[in-house]
Amino acid sequence: DQQVKQNSPSLSVQEGRISILNCDYTNSMFDYFLWYKKYPAEGPTFLISISSIKDKNEDGRFTVFLNKSAKHLSLHIVPSQPGDSAVYFCAASAGNNRKLIWGLGTSLAVNP
Amino acid sequence: NAGVTQTPKFQVLKTGQSMTLQCAQDMNHNSMYWYRQDPGMGLRLIYYSASEGTTDKGEVPNGYNVSRLNKREFSLRLESAAPSQTSVYFCASRAGQGGSYEQYFGPGTRLTVT
Repeated sequence: DQQVKQNSPSLSVQEGRISILNCDYTNSMFDYFLWYKKYPAEGPTFLISISSIKDKNEDGRFTVFLNKSAKHLSLHIVPSQPGDSAVYFCAASAGNNRKLIWGLGTSLAVNP
Repeated sequence: NAGVTQTPKFQVLKTGQSMTLQCAQDMNHNSMYWYRQDPGMGLRLIYYSASEGTTDKGEVPNGYNVSRLNKREFSLRLESAAPSQTSVYFCASRAGQGGSYEQYFGPGTRLTVT
């Protein structure tokens, strides 16, 4: 049973426009959420995170929004660039051991 | 700083053969992790080591063993490889012990078992 769900396997966006990647979760005990980016033949790279006590975190072109009542978070990339084309994973953590539970990923294609 | 390194990058095994995947980190992190990634399955935790001297099972530990050799190194062993273990294996590390949640990943080992 997937506790972290990324329901869109793929997304295509025009360069310069906004990319919105979505993630839903079922476990209300999750207290920290992370987004990772993965290029082919490379390991995932940490992008941005948010604690459950916040509803927004921003880092340059990347903003993560958290809606705890809806158990939903989203990653906004503005403006999107061709180099952003990658697979984006949402991950969540609960408890002291800080293990991560991963979504299946969304493949983003940013077209020039 | 090399970050997290993994060897080998690629490996082909026959069913029943054994091998060890090596992982090392130079960030003085306490916690280390082994994941596998399969198409359509996301990242699944095999084993982890919260600190030097400890190891624990993750979501899919069957068929694997691990050794936390020292603070830097965490190896994953397949004693008798099976085709179901064909996958891409990632090692990761985290500062640990109440530190940040972020894990840092190596480049992966692509393993094929025939």
